[in-house]
Amino acid sequence: EAGVTQSPTHLIKTRGQQATLRCSPISGHTSVYWYQQALGLGLQFLLWYDEGEERNRGNFPPRFSGRQFPNYSSELNVNALELEDSALYLCASSLPGKLQETQYFGPGTRLLVL
Amino acid sequence: RKEVEQDPGPFNVPEGATVAFNCTYSNSASQSFFWYRQDCRKEPKLLMSVYSSGNEDGRFTAQLNRASQYISLLIRDSKLSDSATYLCVVLYNQGGKLIFGQGTELSVKP
Repeated sequence: EAGVTQSPTHLIKTRGQQATLRCSPISGHTSVYWYQQALGLGLQFLLWYDEGEERNRGNFPPRFSGRQFPNYSSELNVNALELEDSALYLCASSLPGKLQETQYFGPGTRLLVL
Repeated sequence: RKEVEQDPGPFNVPEGATVAFNCTYSNSASQSFFWYRQDCRKEPKLLMSVYSSGNEDGRFTAQLNRASQYISLLIRDSKLSDSATYLCVVLYNQGGKLIFGQGTELSVKP
């Protein structure tokens, strides 16, 4: 069974540009989560989507946004990129229903902002 | 104060050693607990869930003390392949987000 997939694997942008990151969950998973792991920092929760709706977001500015499509895949958009947005962006998915379900992570997208 | 705090690393141990990682969490409303493992420049992978009664998976034993808000992971008979960063993770029932500790780096040497 295929795991969580993310694209692109690497992305290089300049300050002020926009970045779009994509995630496909494990088949049968309806919840998608986004996390940021900046160098030297732990994983920080960004967003949670379930059944196409944003359920929760972390302490990030509004220029971090996303959406979930009917097939449960998801996009993370980062507008007006800043240097400190350089990080590994991880997507995770989980089964529907119970919030306690385990989250499985994709390989991540490494975003570098120059 | 961080929501999830772990022992600072790195832990450098010889093969065959027993090593213990500790973790504390601040929110008593936390509902689920996990240990994830993250290899260098890779995604976190679930090592094991942590249950109130304690649980074991081969050489790995996890314990949870809800009264003290404390989680532990014990690795017996360390292997070279155990070298990684171990992340203590807490899930709050409201919000679906995982709260990660900073991680403890383990290096197992021959």
